[in-house]
Amino acid sequence: AQKITQTQPGMFVQEKEAVTLDCTYDTSDQSYGLFWYKQPSSGEMIFLIYQGSYDEQNATEGRYSLNFQKARKSANLVISASQLGDSAMYFCAMREPYNQGGKLIFGQGTELSVKP
Amino acid sequence: EAQVTQNPRYLITVTGKKLTVTCSQNMNHEYMSWYRQDPGLGLRQIYYSMNVEVTDKGDVPEGYKVSRKEKRNFPLILESPSPNQTSLYFCASSSSGTTYEQYFGPGTRLTVT
Repeated sequence: AQKITQTQPGMFVQEKEAVTLDCTYDTSDQSYGLFWYKQPSSGEMIFLIYQGSYDEQNATEGRYSLNFQKARKSANLVISASQLGDSAMYFCAMREPYNQGGKLIFGQGTELSVKP
Repeated sequence: EAQVTQNPRYLITVTGKKLTVTCSQNMNHEYMSWYRQDPGLGLRQIYYSMNVEVTDKGDVPEGYKVSRKEKRNFPLILESPSPNQTSLYFCASSSSGTTYEQYFGPGTRLTVT
């Protein structure tokens, strides 16, 4: 079964600095996808970035990038030039195999606070 | 604009009064799903649908019903709500396949008294 682990319950970062949010995963599948979502205090769940297991390059999306280390089974999110609006809960996730239902399996989340 | 919409966004109701939370997506996605989010328990899947007229139970289906009569709509029905169904509910949709991201609706905060 898939498992996602986020070991940082909370993190602080100074505005304009970069921050890395850790995520490790466990799966026996060869083909899989890893996702990061942002949940601000208003509650919505916002998709940020995706990394496929066969992607040769790390995914990037604006100020978000994913440091994907397949052998170590880690998929850390890097946010560059942090902004006050980045303060939120961040979830790492992967999908269950589609033929088993395809649900998202989430980590426990990391609460990021950006200090002015 | 590609989006998943949910209504209502906020609802306070009483035990036993049937309610429906609507969900609609405009991305022509085959896959739709309902999750609930509770403090300390994270997000748990309630039901999912892989296409029209194809639905299946997730991890916490008790007390809920769903239907998928049209591709774009996937309503969640609480026939007799109870206080333990007080939660934040999300509808999500995606293309078919393990490597596709799920797009979430804005959430519905339900309180059952």
